Amino acid sequence: GAGVSQSPSNKVTEKGKDVELRCDPISGHTALYWYRQSLGQGLEFLIYFQGNSAPDKSGLPSDRFSAERTGGSVSTLTIQRTQQEDSAVYLCASSLENGGRETQYFGPGTRLLVL
Amino acid sequence: GENVEQHPSTLSVQEGDSAVIKCTYSDSASNYFPWYKQELGKGPQLIIDIRSNVGEKKDQRIAVTLNKTAKHFSLHITETQPEDSAVYFCAADSSASKIIFGSGTRLSIRP
Repeated sequence: GAGVSQSPSNKVTEKGKDVELRCDPISGHTALYWYRQSLGQGLEFLIYFQGNSAPDKSGLPSDRFSAERTGGSVSTLTIQRTQQEDSAVYLCASSLENGGRETQYFGPGTRLLVL
Repeated sequence: GENVEQHPSTLSVQEGDSAVIKCTYSDSASNYFPWYKQELGKGPQLIIDIRSNVGEKKDQRIAVTLNKTAKHFSLHITETQPEDSAVYFCAADSSASKIIFGSGTRLSIRP
């Protein structure tokens, strides 16, 4: 079956603009995760969803970042008033159940460049 | 909260030789330790995982070992091949229902 998909694959925007990043998880996966990966760095946890609710938003860097998930499926990560330091690869992952002991399947990421 | 440290940050080995990457974790309640491989321009992909009820697991040229007493685990790749070149991440589950990743190891295989 299809894996996790993300769109757009690349996004270039100007400082101060808002951007929306989309994630389509694997069908039937109830848990969905967002991570940020700066160039050559590790994976920084942002937020995770169990169904449509977000029990853990602790990784969101500032109130400019928000995310939602509707219908227990597609999720959107929104960054308002983008800054140059927001430039990174944003990765989405999904797993069958919530919790840290389930395999997470990653999408290819969205490469965001803020000029 | 959980903290995972990974070493080395870069590793270069001759093709055919073995590569070892080591990680330590801080949360004694962790029970699940996956390893991910990330190729250039792609998302991480699970290559092997181990749970706390075993000390070692092997899958062809890849093996993981776990020492719960010392809170460290390792990835061993034998008979390395060019396609093994990638960034490898270790991770551990945290009591907060998510996994925490190490900082990554960039593995290069020299021909």
